[in-house]
Amino acid sequence: DIQMTQSPSSLSASVGDRVTITCQASQDISNYLNWYQQKPGKAPKLLIYDASNLETGVPSRFSGSGSGTDFTFTISSLQPEDIATYYCQQYDNLPYSFGQGTKLEIK
Amino acid sequence: QVQLQESGPGLVKPSQTLSLTCTVSGGSISSGSYYWSWIRQPAGKGLEWIGRIYTSGSTNYNPSLKSRVTISVDTSKNQFSLKLSSVTAADTAVYYCARDTVIHRLYYFDYWGQGTLVTVSS
Repeated sequence: DIQMTQSPSSLSASVGDRVTITCQASQDISNYLNWYQQKPGKAPKLLIYDASNLETGVPSRFSGSGSGTDFTFTISSLQPEDIATYYCQQYDNLPYSFGQGTKLEIK
Repeated sequence: QVQLQESGPGLVKPSQTLSLTCTVSGGSISSGSYYWSWIRQPAGKGLEWIGRIYTSGSTNYNPSLKSRVTISVDTSKNQFSLKLSSVTAADTAVYYCARDTVIHRLYYFDYWGQGTLVTVSS
């Protein structure tokens, strides 16, 4: 199985800050990676697919990059509504696997 | 707009079988290139993919749960279901159903149910 490791596990930042989360795969997954946002008590929401493609309707302050084993998720200017936990997910091989999540808080 | 809704008992006794159904509305479960997945999340923890089904009936399961999981589909009711046998407290979690969209080599969960909490306790 492919292991996905996110860092940091939690992050505190101020409104307007640039925020970066990394995700590392235990083997090469090409660009077969998605990013999700999960707010408390809610289902995850797709933000980025195929490592760098923005889902329709998602604000452009969200972006993703990377390929192979190392990926980055960025919020260019943190907004109060971005407070959530973020997960990466690989789909190169079954079983699908998720990172452990990064909990983002406002400083 | 596609919507998914989980239903089933919120409390299951240890060693019994957990059974959940996901009802899909706003589109046919048989149309398009979609798998239909189950994903779970223990309280305060991360997401675990359980398995998926295609409308042909073809299934894939997480090897960590494969011996206990059965996913089925009822296209006439626009539903798919999860059965997890021999449950223990470790199976206590919020269970989500989700649509797994396939476009060429791309796969992503673009629609999710709201989730349903299943507690395993006597």
